[in-house]
Amino acid sequence: AQSVTQPDIHITVSEGASLELRCNYSYGATPYLFWYVQSPGQGLQLLLKYFSGDTLVQGIKGFEAEFKRSQSSFNLRKPSVHWSDAAEYFCAVGVRTGANNLFFGTGTRLTVIP
Amino acid sequence: EPEVTQTPSHQVTQMGQEVILRCVPISNHLYFYWYRQILGQKVEFLVSFYNNEISEKSEIFDDQFSVERPDGSNFTLKIRSTKLEDSAMYFCASTQQGIEAFFGQGTRLTVV
Repeated sequence: AQSVTQPDIHITVSEGASLELRCNYSYGATPYLFWYVQSPGQGLQLLLKYFSGDTLVQGIKGFEAEFKRSQSSFNLRKPSVHWSDAAEYFCAVGVRTGANNLFFGTGTRLTVIP
Repeated sequence: EPEVTQTPSHQVTQMGQEVILRCVPISNHLYFYWYRQILGQKVEFLVSFYNNEISEKSEIFDDQFSVERPDGSNFTLKIRSTKLEDSAMYFCASTQQGIEAFFGQGTRLTVV
């Protein structure tokens, strides 16, 4: 069965510092991989996605993520965090069959301090 | 930019009452979904809908739940007899080809 693990429940970084949010997945084949961001009281906004090809994918707001098959990971990175990046970040796996339902991790809450 | 819209943004209902949550997916999308997020927990898949029928559903989606696409534009989730544990944020999503899902802003359901 597919599953997603986000080991860090809460991360605090200083504005301008680099960021890496971890995501590990379990799935029998190569999944679709996504990162979504949820600001307080808001819906889910897609940051980036991996389907196939280049394992380093670029997203919106300066985020990138790297798919590492050997580690079953899809970590999210940003070189310089802005205060507006404070939010909840969800990694998700999409199964490559049927309607491609998404399975989400438990999320990582990012706090940005001045 | 096209978006998924959900109404209402917040619904308060008494336990045992029926509620209908409404969604307007992006117009050329073919796959529709409902997810829910209990406060402080992860987003959970409820049901997917394609070609006017349920394609998959989770264990959460029991007989109290139903979905419908009544008029070719709306996509609704009905909870027949609400329980306290149904209190959650409910997200509608749609995709064109069953890959990249676009989510609505959610409906916060509070059962009292």
